[in-house]
Amino acid sequence: DIVLTQSPATLSLSPGERATLSCRASQSIGASLFWYQQKSGQPPRLLIFDASNRAPGIPARFRGSGSGTDFTLTISSLEPEDFAVYFCQLRADRPPYGFGPGTKLEIK
Amino acid sequence: QVQLQESGPGVVRPSETLSLICTVSGGSFTGSHWAWIRQPPGKGLEWIGYTFNNGQTDYNPAVESRATISVDTAKRQFSLKLTSLTAADTAVYYCARDEALGAFDIWGQGTMVTVSS
Repeated sequence: DIVLTQSPATLSLSPGERATLSCRASQSIGASLFWYQQKSGQPPRLLIFDASNRAPGIPARFRGSGSGTDFTLTISSLEPEDFAVYFCQLRADRPPYGFGPGTKLEIK
Repeated sequence: QVQLQESGPGVVRPSETLSLICTVSGGSFTGSHWAWIRQPPGKGLEWIGYTFNNGQTDYNPAVESRATISVDTAKRQFSLKLTSLTAADTAVYYCARDEALGAFDIWGQGTMVTVSS
C-alpha cells in the first residue's frame, strides 16, 4: 500500500500569515493527490483535486502544488476560518483511496 | 444539489453487526462511486469501501473480511454492514460521493457509532 505522511503534525500561526503544509507519498502517485479541510464536528470539505486544482467555491488563497511523491498546500494569508485540520488523500490502484494523518492548523 | 444522510444505531454491542444506510437526495444516483469512510474520535480518516450503482464493490483490505456494501438504486440508498465489532470500530461513519474525480466531493454529516456493552 502507498502511505501518506503529513508534516508538521501541528502548525501554529497567526491570521494574515502564510501556511505551508506538506504531504509525502511513499511512492510516486503522479498528480493523484487531494486536500481536505475539516472543522470540528463537521465532515471534511474537498479543497484541491489532482494536486493543484481548486474545488468549486474554494478561495484563491488556497493553492496546491507538487507531483510524484511531494505535495504542498499553501494558504497565502490565513483567515480566522482557515484554522482547522487538513488531510491529504491519494487515489491509487489498490486500495483505491488512502488518507494522510492530518495537520492541525491552530491559532498562535 | 446532492445531499447524503446517514442513519443507523448509535450504540452496538461487541461482536454484533453494524448496519448503516445512506440516503441520497437530489442529483443523479448513477455514474458515481458511493463510499463509506470512518473516523475514530480524534483520529484520521479511513476509507472502508464503495459501491457503484451497478452493484460493483471494492473494500479496504483492512476490513474486507467483515464489510459488505450494497446498493438499492430504486430507493437511492446504499448500505454498510460491518460484522464482529470491537471497540476499535468506534468512530464517526460518513457516507460520501466520488463522482469519477478520485476524491470525495459530497459528504454526509456523519453518524457516531459506539461499540460498547
